[in-house]
Amino acid sequence: AQSVSQHNHHVILSEAASLELGCNYSYGGTVNLFWYVQYPGQHLQLLLKYFSGDPLVKGIKGFEAEFIKSKFSFNLRKPSVQWSDTAEYFCAVNARSGGYQKVTFGTGTKLQVIP
Amino acid sequence: NAGVTQTPKFQVLKTGQSMTLQCAQDMNHNSMYWYRQDPGMGLRLIYYSASEGTTDKGEVPNGYNVSRLNKREFSLRLESAAPSQTSVYFCASSEPLIAASNGNEQFFGPGTRLTVL
Repeated sequence: AQSVSQHNHHVILSEAASLELGCNYSYGGTVNLFWYVQYPGQHLQLLLKYFSGDPLVKGIKGFEAEFIKSKFSFNLRKPSVQWSDTAEYFCAVNARSGGYQKVTFGTGTKLQVIP
Repeated sequence: NAGVTQTPKFQVLKTGQSMTLQCAQDMNHNSMYWYRQDPGMGLRLIYYSASEGTTDKGEVPNGYNVSRLNKREFSLRLESAAPSQTSVYFCASSEPLIAASNGNEQFFGPGTRLTVL
């Protein structure tokens, strides 16, 4: 069964600090990888996704993630965080297997950015 | 486009009461999903519908039933609510894996915050 691990449950950073949130998955086949963001009181929105091609993916608001197949990782990065980045971040994996898709979310990382 | 809409936004139930959470999408997506979100546990899939006319259990289906009424609508029913079902419920939709060229992004509704006393 596929699984997704987000090792950082709660991260506190000062504004302008750099961010890296870890995401590892376990699945041997072809995957699509996503990062979703949930701002306080809102629903989940797509931040970025990896489908194929360049393993370095750029998303909205200056976020990027790198797919490292050998490490089964898809870490999220941002060089300089802002207070408005305070939110919960979820990594997700879509596994493709004979046309059937199964989506698994990580448990989320709460990011608190201090002004 | 409204995207994915859910009703109600908030609900308080007593143990044993029943209710149905409604979800509709106007993006002509084939696949729809129900998740619950609990602190420290992320999103857990309750049920999903890969296409109109089909439904399947997800990770935590016990205590719930679903109906894919048509392509647009996917409802979640709690027949006899329990305090353990206190949660935030999200509906989502996406294109199925084969047909999609956009990496199967899921589009989420605003959520229903349910409290069972």
